Amino acid sequence: DTEVTQTPKHLVMGMTNKKSLKCEQHMGHRAMYWYKQKAKKPPELMFVYSYEKLSINESVPSRFSPECPNSSLLNLHLHALQPEDSALYLCASSQDITTYTRDHYEQYFGPGTRLTVT
Amino acid sequence: KQEVTQIPAALSVPEGENLVLNCSFTDSAIYNLQWFRQDPGKGLTSLLLIQSSQREQTSGRLNASLDKSSGRSTLYIAASQPGDSATYLCAVKLSNFNKFYFGSGTKLNVKP
Repeated sequence: DTEVTQTPKHLVMGMTNKKSLKCEQHMGHRAMYWYKQKAKKPPELMFVYSYEKLSINESVPSRFSPECPNSSLLNLHLHALQPEDSALYLCASSQDITTYTRDHYEQYFGPGTRLTVT
Repeated sequence: KQEVTQIPAALSVPEGENLVLNCSFTDSAIYNLQWFRQDPGKGLTSLLLIQSSQREQTSGRLNASLDKSSGRSTLYIAASQPGDSATYLCAVKLSNFNKFYFGSGTKLNVKP
């Protein structure tokens, strides 16, 4: 199973709402990533978790709060977002280098959550 | 900082044509390079992964090459089909950091 799942597929929220995005993988990957993608642009890295610990935060505003409750699950909590935060939010996972397999660090992406902030 | 460039930004070809997409990067200390395709509004689908020690990878009608010393990779698509129409992105991972740098993509349109 090489699938990364994301829920919900679409989300519309007001600027005062609190919502969460969810990402799940069952490939035994120990690195998980959040990306933000605006229309006609490449994905921009937001956060990286390695072995359930936050290893990279690309200076993301605090209104985005990541969480990795276990090795299969990654959440992104959203609060007080702005209209410019509307985008496709992509989750990805990969094996970590310590597994020493041929495809280590190959990223697998989920289908994304289309977020609209009104 | 690693800069990744993809040329051309858009490409339109008739069905059946062979084509080459280009990806260049500025820092040759890469760990691997991955090619993806993305359909409109969808997630990324991994096509090929080339480790830094490899020169090329093949999957079906796709062949990706890597020349670290010149900072270039190419994705060759043989006998293109309308179903190949999508945006193709390359991403490189540096050796020292667990992050990936994406190019801005090439939008491919294969006309029937």
